Amino acid sequence: GNSVTQMEGPVTLSEEAFLTINCTYTATGYPSLFWYVQYPGEGLQLLLKATKADDKGSNKGFEATYRKETTSFHLEKGSVQVSDSAVYFCALTDTGANSKLTFGKGITLSVRP
Amino acid sequence: DTGVSQDPRHKITKRGQNVTFRCDPISEHNRLYWYRQTLGQGPEFLTYFQNEAQLEKSRLLSDRFSAERPKGSFSTLEIQRTEQGDSAMYLCASSPGTTPYGYTFGSGTRLTVV
Repeated sequence: GNSVTQMEGPVTLSEEAFLTINCTYTATGYPSLFWYVQYPGEGLQLLLKATKADDKGSNKGFEATYRKETTSFHLEKGSVQVSDSAVYFCALTDTGANSKLTFGKGITLSVRP
Repeated sequence: DTGVSQDPRHKITKRGQNVTFRCDPISEHNRLYWYRQTLGQGPEFLTYFQNEAQLEKSRLLSDRFSAERPKGSFSTLEIQRTEQGDSAMYLCASSPGTTPYGYTFGSGTRLTVV
């Protein structure tokens, strides 16, 4: 079945540091890939997505590239801010019609001023 | 529209009791999903509805769990004879169609079984 593996956390960075959060996946067919973010006390929000190989998703300074050859979708940001402190989830969709999401475990990012 | 609403936000119940959660999706969304999230894990799919029809249920959804979406509007998730292992965050999401691009999640109902 489908699965998503995220790097172990938590991650603590200083403001303006470079961020990389690793994500690899196992899937049949051609899944779409997503990063979701959960800020404290809030619901999950879609951060960015990519639907086919070599697509790059981007939003709010975050980027991730769909790498089919390495089955990866690593999240990067060049300069993190305190407001980026949250839990980040990598996810993929089934290629069937139900569009259900398979999530990784999530990783907590804390950014210090 | 205020997004996806879930009620209650928190529920503490004694083992063996029944609990029911409610989800109000975005009104024009015809798809509604339930997920469960335990501590330190990502959300796991439980079930989904297309309008009022329940189209898929995960094997995680034991016989003690039942979900409904009468008239294709709000949905309820009931857990009978709760167990401590049911303690989790229960998330609802809605979508306008067959892709997850328009997925909107609610803030969840946190269940604690004591």
